[in-house]
Amino acid sequence: DQQVKQNSPSLSVQEGRISILNCDYTNSMFDYFLWYKKYPAEGPTFLISISSIKDKNEDGRFTVFLNKSAKHLSLHIVPSQPGDSAVYFCAASVYSGGYQKVTFGTGTKLQVIP
Amino acid sequence: KAGVTQTPRYLIKTRGQQVTLSCSPISGHRSVSWYQQTPGQGLQFLFEYFSETQRNKGNFPGRFSGRQFSNSRSEMNVSTLELGDSALYLCASSLVPGTSGSNEQFFGPGTRLTVL
Repeated sequence: DQQVKQNSPSLSVQEGRISILNCDYTNSMFDYFLWYKKYPAEGPTFLISISSIKDKNEDGRFTVFLNKSAKHLSLHIVPSQPGDSAVYFCAASVYSGGYQKVTFGTGTKLQVIP
Repeated sequence: KAGVTQTPRYLIKTRGQQVTLSCSPISGHRSVSWYQQTPGQGLQFLFEYFSETQRNKGNFPGRFSGRQFSNSRSEMNVSTLELGDSALYLCASSLVPGTSGSNEQFFGPGTRLTVL
């Protein structure tokens, strides 16, 4: 049962335009959401996060939006740059059984075309 | 501060063999988690260790096991390898697993395992 889903395996965007990566989840108990970026031959690196009590968090070119009623979050990258080309994973966490459990999505490969 | 290191980076094994992968977390980090990454499956959680104790385990068969040493270094072992075990195995460390969902994980570069 995939509790965190990224339905778009890939996305292509022109440089300078907006990239929107989507993520859906099923567990309403998730209380924190994170985005990681992964380049080939490297491990994922943390990008941005949002608490379930917020609906938006912004960090430079990156903004994450959370719609709890729809169980949906999205990552906006504006403007997109070629260096943003990577695989993006969303993750959701819940405090359960005395510790935090993190579930990752399947990833979306973003290609920013110069 | 040095990042998470994993050894070896690449490994080729044949079916039926067993393999041990190693992970050294960031200095001071006491929690280590292991993930399997395959195309289309994303990051699948294997297990998490804290203070030499397995605290959480994903839905993987018993052929997958791990341990953590007193210096927080961790190893995972896969016995009786199958073709489907071919994947990138990622290790992630964090300071102390706590109640905050903002407990960011730091990933190593992974070990690419190929089973022939």
